[in-house]
Amino acid sequence: DGGITQSPKYLFRKEGQNVTLSCEQNLNHDAMYWYRQDPGQGLRLIYYSQIVNDFQKGDIAEGYSVSREKKESFPLTVTSAQKNPTAFYLCASSEWGLANYGYTFGSGTRLTVV
Amino acid sequence: AQSVTQLDSQVPVFEEAPVELRCNYSSSVSVYLFWYVQYPNQGLQLLLKYLSGSTLVKGINGFEAEFNKSQTSFHLRKPSVHISDTAEYFCAVSDRASGSRLTFGEGTQLTVNP
Repeated sequence: DGGITQSPKYLFRKEGQNVTLSCEQNLNHDAMYWYRQDPGQGLRLIYYSQIVNDFQKGDIAEGYSVSREKKESFPLTVTSAQKNPTAFYLCASSEWGLANYGYTFGSGTRLTVV
Repeated sequence: AQSVTQLDSQVPVFEEAPVELRCNYSSSVSVYLFWYVQYPNQGLQLLLKYLSGSTLVKGINGFEAEFNKSQTSFHLRKPSVHISDTAEYFCAVSDRASGSRLTFGEGTQLTVNP
């Protein structure tokens, strides 16, 4: 079955370390997205990518970086510049330019700074 | 620009009672509207969507929503809720001008009590 896989499900990071969250999809979707979720704040867009080798900043890109070297993969790196990285991170994908399809979401990664 | 307002951040109800989760949107063009559900520590799952046609949309798990263009609303309803409906619910909007980008509301936590 097609879907999106996020790994790991739980991740612990020491202050000052970079960590990379994995997101892989086998839906052949063009677009991929990263969201951050904090209690009571809904979903906030970090980065999105419409095609391979191209990506755009979302609303809260500072302290994060991404790459899109393959259509199936869109990893997110949380850098040491992100001052408050503890959150639930969601990856999603969609067909770009087809607004009526909506998104397919992964099951999320919970990152905790220790 | 699009925006979505979910009018209630928390909705507590008793089991077997009816429930309505309210969503208002703003957009200058024709829109596509979505409701997603999120269970604890999981990704978002599509409940239903409105693309065009009949203003009453039926989704999974007995939920339905009504598109009201004059009031720019897309409220979610269920005539009788179960304990298992306890989750967070997100309303989202997109339009052709946004490609496939969704704009999400801040979510409504539905808690069903016995």
